[in-house]
Amino acid sequence: RKEVEQDPGPFNVPEGATVAFNCTYSNSASQSFFWYRQDCRKEPKLLMSVYSSGNEDGRFTAQLNRASQYISLLIRDSKLSDSATYLCVVNGDSGYALNFGKGTSLLVTP
Amino acid sequence: DADVTQTPRNRITKTGKRIMLECSQTKGHDRMYWYRQDPGLGLQLIYYSFDVKDINKGEISDGYSVSRQAQAKFSLSLESAIPNQTALYFCATSVGTGGTDTQYFGPGTRLTVL
Repeated sequence: RKEVEQDPGPFNVPEGATVAFNCTYSNSASQSFFWYRQDCRKEPKLLMSVYSSGNEDGRFTAQLNRASQYISLLIRDSKLSDSATYLCVVNGDSGYALNFGKGTSLLVTP
Repeated sequence: DADVTQTPRNRITKTGKRIMLECSQTKGHDRMYWYRQDPGLGLQLIYYSFDVKDINKGEISDGYSVSRQAQAKFSLSLESAIPNQTALYFCATSVGTGGTDTQYFGPGTRLTVL
């Protein structure tokens, strides 16, 4: 079983829509959780860390459910510039390295 | 200037050739990582280094070797390239434990092995 699994996507949404991505992870000992954004053929960049109590950064809200080993990302009022692949990332067994999901592709259309 | 740079950005080579990909950083981070990304797959860790004297294998190290020449430089070598090593390679750095701190990625090297 893959350590980090994400919605297969792609998600095609109109500007202004709200969209949610889900992610599950297999290692119950994981302590650190992130969402990274990757534009086509470019490097991943940290979008936000995910905290146990949930956290918000502008139009982006991340939630963590440790009991269900589930992470989510909500994007409100989608912009064209939000079009990208969103990677769910969880720290691995060793604690040193990160396990990346395959990513969910989002396309926001006019 | 970018904080994490990779050279070359693109490389086409033939099966059996030795290839070196280089990564340099100006962030002053101790920890450096090499990943590969294949279409439709997540990033996979090849090697990581906590400092110049510490090198560790990742999940897919077979066929690869690394050298940490200095705090700022971490090179990845393919001793004898094969076609299934065709991929996008990323170098990354972090200031502390990679599992808890943000990792900063270089722009990537697109490698094609014919």
